[in-house]
Amino acid sequence: AQSVSQHNHHVILSEAASLELGCNYSYGGTVNLFWYVQYPGQHLQLLLKYFSGDPLVKGIKGFEAEFIKSKFSFNLRKPSVQWSDTAEYFCALRGTYKYIFGTGTRLKVLA
Amino acid sequence: NAGVTQTPKFQVLKTGQSMTLQCAQDMNHNSMYWYRQDPGMGLRLIYYSASEGTTDKGEVPNGYNVSRLNKREFSLRLESAAPSQTSVYFCASSLNPRSGAGEETQYFGPGTRLLVL
Repeated sequence: AQSVSQHNHHVILSEAASLELGCNYSYGGTVNLFWYVQYPGQHLQLLLKYFSGDPLVKGIKGFEAEFIKSKFSFNLRKPSVQWSDTAEYFCALRGTYKYIFGTGTRLKVLA
Repeated sequence: NAGVTQTPKFQVLKTGQSMTLQCAQDMNHNSMYWYRQDPGMGLRLIYYSASEGTTDKGEVPNGYNVSRLNKREFSLRLESAAPSQTSVYFCASSLNPRSGAGEETQYFGPGTRLLVL
């Protein structure tokens, strides 16, 4: 079965704290993995994606994610968060023609 | 490029009413998708169209129908709206090359907020 799990539903951090959001997947084929961000009142935007090659992927706004095949994980990280990072973050897996999204993690950054 | 556009932005319906949500993309993408977003449940796929002329059910198709009118447009119809269909609806598109695995990114529209009373 194809699935994506995000274990942290709500995260509250202070500015300058480090961030790591967990994402685990279940899929039998070649994985294409994504992290999307949804700022309040806006639509989803791509943060970063992994298709092949270097398992450490760098995205926009200082975000990065590491694909660890042995752990079926694709965790999102940022060394120092800002208030403007307050948003909902979604991990997604691309299957054949379809995408499977996790339930999302709401991040609140306190100024 | 406008990307992915959706109309309307907001809609209030009474139970039993029907309506069509419109979606269009100008990126010459092959695949289009309809999702609903509900608190704590992430995005759930309603229907998708891998290419012009084809449509398939997603995770939560009951109560919905779709039409892939042409390569650009993919509409979602609620024939008899129910309060359980109160949600935010997102349309998305992706290039989806027909041969082999290629880079794929979904591009999302701004969403339609639907309230069914």
